[in-house]
Amino acid sequence: GDQVEQSPSALSLHEGTGSALRCNFTTTMRAVQWFRKNSRGSLINLFYLASGTKENGRLKSAFDSKERYSTLHIRDAQLEDSGTYFCAAERGSALGRLHFGAGTQLIVIP
Amino acid sequence: GGIITQTPKFLIGQEGQKLTLKCQQNFNHDTMYWYRQDSGKGLRLIYYSITENDLQKGDLSEGYDASREKKSSFSLTVTSAQKNEMAVFLCASSIARGDTQYFGPGTRLLVL
Repeated sequence: GDQVEQSPSALSLHEGTGSALRCNFTTTMRAVQWFRKNSRGSLINLFYLASGTKENGRLKSAFDSKERYSTLHIRDAQLEDSGTYFCAAERGSALGRLHFGAGTQLIVIP
Repeated sequence: GGIITQTPKFLIGQEGQKLTLKCQQNFNHDTMYWYRQDSGKGLRLIYYSITENDLQKGDLSEGYDASREKKSSFSLTVTSAQKNEMAVFLCASSIARGDTQYFGPGTRLLVL
């Protein structure tokens, strides 16, 4: 069955505002990655976390293995942030085998 | 930095045809992966390889073969294309299993 539940499936933000994406895991995960799929279809690496939080510009991600979730916060959204965001997680017993969420389609509105 | 190249970018096949997709990486990464993405869904792992000549089945290996000819290249074969099949196949690599995976631009498959 699906091990990663990603929400919301779609999100619209006005420029300058922010929101959070979330992935819940049905089992304990060792690490999580967050990606953005750009307009050309390429997956761009955003974060890799084995624990705690990381921040990069207007993006911040957190991963709690024990509570089985990860979040991606976007603040001061810009038009170029539009795209589909995916989380992907792996179990410690199956290194390298990423389980992907279904994605969040983000549209930033002027 | 490095780059992952996938060929072809677009692939149109006929039902029952055997189709091969190629992936090259110059990161000098040990592990390479093949994923399939269907519209509105997350990626699913087809095969991966932890070193040259190694092959490990993923969650979606039925109907596919793969080959890790050398460290820098990993090919995927659709053994018999299904009519009206449409998907994007993504190749990725990482230094080792459990490390950050970097993705190629994808091959878009359409079967008529």
